[in-house]
Amino acid sequence: EAGVAQSPRYKIIEKRQSVAFWCNPISGHATLYWYQQILGQGPKLLIQFQNNGVVDDSQLPKDRFSAERLKGVDSTLKIQPAKLEDSAVYLCASSLDRSTDTQYFGPGTRLTVL
Amino acid sequence: AQSVTQLGSHVSVSEGALVLLRCNYSSSVPPYLFWYVQYPNQGLQLLLKYTSAATLVKGINGFEAEFKKSETSFHLTKPSAHMSDAAEYFCAVNGYNKLIFGAGTRLAVHP
Repeated sequence: EAGVAQSPRYKIIEKRQSVAFWCNPISGHATLYWYQQILGQGPKLLIQFQNNGVVDDSQLPKDRFSAERLKGVDSTLKIQPAKLEDSAVYLCASSLDRSTDTQYFGPGTRLTVL
Repeated sequence: AQSVTQLGSHVSVSEGALVLLRCNYSSSVPPYLFWYVQYPNQGLQLLLKYTSAATLVKGINGFEAEFKKSETSFHLTKPSAHMSDAAEYFCAVNGYNKLIFGAGTRLAVHP
């Protein structure tokens, strides 16, 4: 069974530029999550999708971050414009249905904002 | 509200020694509890999960954890450390449809 795929693995941009990350969850998983992991901290949930719909985006900085999950499969997370404090690893995860189900994580995208 | 506290950001053990990583949680509803491991430049991998069945949960790679409601703890143990266990370990709680992670404990294993 293929795992959660993410791209790119690494990205370096300058502040005020925009960036997008892509995630392909495990086939058949209805729930998809984006987490932000700042160095030295645990992952923090940014947004959770159930199929096409947003379940929780309470910690997503909506003035600069956006995310979509078209057709209930792939998802894209965008940052525009980026700030220095956005430097982090962005992890995508998926689970079969509810968030109490085991979440499977992708390898992450390491973003450096200069 | 839910929270997780991992005691000790760094733990160092000798190869073959007992591994004990501490996790205390706070949740106003019966929690689901998880331990994940993260190797350098990789995503998180599930070690084990507590879902209110047995209080002693066995996971992969010889790890286990015991749920103690009276102590609000879910400590992770392994009887004998291996060099390949060196990684970062995260405890997480889910009680309100959201996974909350602790800050992590970096485990070092030396010969």
